[in-house]
Amino acid sequence: QVQLQESGPGVVRSSGTLSLTCTVSGGSIGGYYWNWVRQPPGKPLEWLGFIYKTGSTNYNPSLKGRVTMSLDTSKNQFSLTMRSVTGVDTALYYCTREVGDDGFDIWGQGTMVTVSS
Amino acid sequence: DVQMTQSPSFLSASVGDRVTITCRASQTVETYLNWYQVKPGKAPRLLIYAASSLQSGVPSRFSGSGSGTYFTLTINSLQPEDFATYYCQQGFASPRTFGQGTKVDI
Repeated sequence: QVQLQESGPGVVRSSGTLSLTCTVSGGSIGGYYWNWVRQPPGKPLEWLGFIYKTGSTNYNPSLKGRVTMSLDTSKNQFSLTMRSVTGVDTALYYCTREVGDDGFDIWGQGTMVTVSS
Repeated sequence: DVQMTQSPSFLSASVGDRVTITCRASQTVETYLNWYQVKPGKAPRLLIYAASSLQSGVPSRFSGSGSGTYFTLTINSLQPEDFATYYCQQGFASPRTFGQGTKVDI
């Protein structure tokens, strides 16, 4: 069965760059949309964007061009890079798989990222 | 962006109760509406997709209905493991958007 696992630093300095990787195990990275979703403390879930197996991407405009997603099919991994982070980017970050329009069916456990000043 | 509004934000219930959570979209999302269960320290879980389809492995006490702009999630005979926060999410338009969540507590 497919499993996702996020990895990356738990603390990022303000104005710095947040980099997270999601490793896909138990299945291929092809054929699905690979997404990032975050949840700031006490706030609802927020969709950040996706990358498809072709490398095409779609980002949430609210992130104002600070985000880049990439794919490494040889390692069965996809990644999130967020630049110029501030305290509002402190959140629990999840990677998740989207099956067409039928929702996010598989999620990682999430990784907490704190932006420190 | 499509705004998703859930009600109530908080719901107090007991084991065995039937609970209903509503989700309204600011514009039609047809039936591209999904429901998730989130518990602290656990991965979110897809419960219902396409408004009314039960995700594989999800107990049948969960059900969803609706189309257009009004949707409901119903839990029949609430179980102890159902105390959690529930979110709706639209998959009709980009950016994908979630409701603000409904916490179901004892």
